Amino acid sequence: DTAVSQTPKYLVTQMGNDKSIKCEQNLGHDTMYWYKQDSKKFLKIMFSYNNKELIINETVPNRFSPKSPDKAHLNLHINSLELGDSAVYFCASSQDLLAGAGKNIQYFGAGTRLSVL
Amino acid sequence: DQQVKQNSPSLSVQEGRISILNCDYTNSMFDYFLWYKKYPAEGPTFLISISSIKDKNEDGRFTVFLNKSAKHLSLHIVPSQPGDSAVYFCAASAMDSNYQLIWGAGTKLIIKP
Repeated sequence: DTAVSQTPKYLVTQMGNDKSIKCEQNLGHDTMYWYKQDSKKFLKIMFSYNNKELIINETVPNRFSPKSPDKAHLNLHINSLELGDSAVYFCASSQDLLAGAGKNIQYFGAGTRLSVL
Repeated sequence: DQQVKQNSPSLSVQEGRISILNCDYTNSMFDYFLWYKKYPAEGPTFLISISSIKDKNEDGRFTVFLNKSAKHLSLHIVPSQPGDSAVYFCAASAMDSNYQLIWGAGTKLIIKP
């Protein structure tokens, strides 16, 4: 029973398309995140939601729009895909980001490998 | 501008010996540090953490040491086992930036039989 699950695992698409990646956590956590792992393998935070409210919004193109229908889900929608969007995207969750570092142990999904052709 | 640096892309260690993974940081406001382990095609999994008020934290075969004056932390694994072969990420956070995790680039640990 996977704690943080994201779908799809692989996504191959053409430039200019719109796509979504879904993420669900069954840990009862209040905070969810989206990360991008770039070609140099750095994990970079994109967004963080706490109880469905946006907490962290790093400098990402506005073609990326997170949506949190409830605190167990944080989906990522990407419009007008570009070649540079090719990367591995990770969803994560933690108990409560705003309650302190000790409550911020993050649990990750397996990743979605996005390839834009 | 990398605030968290793992300068060794890879490390090879004999099974049964000690593995030492290093991490340096530049932001003196960091007050919490974590190590994550990642296998191929999986997400990172939490391994061990340390608060800046401590200089050592131990959990079984894993010990993390923090040297605040040098802005350096290290992860010791002893004895190393084949299942420890993975990529290890160091991450740090600061209260004044909402505990957002800043990650190093990772070190690939290979345990040789």
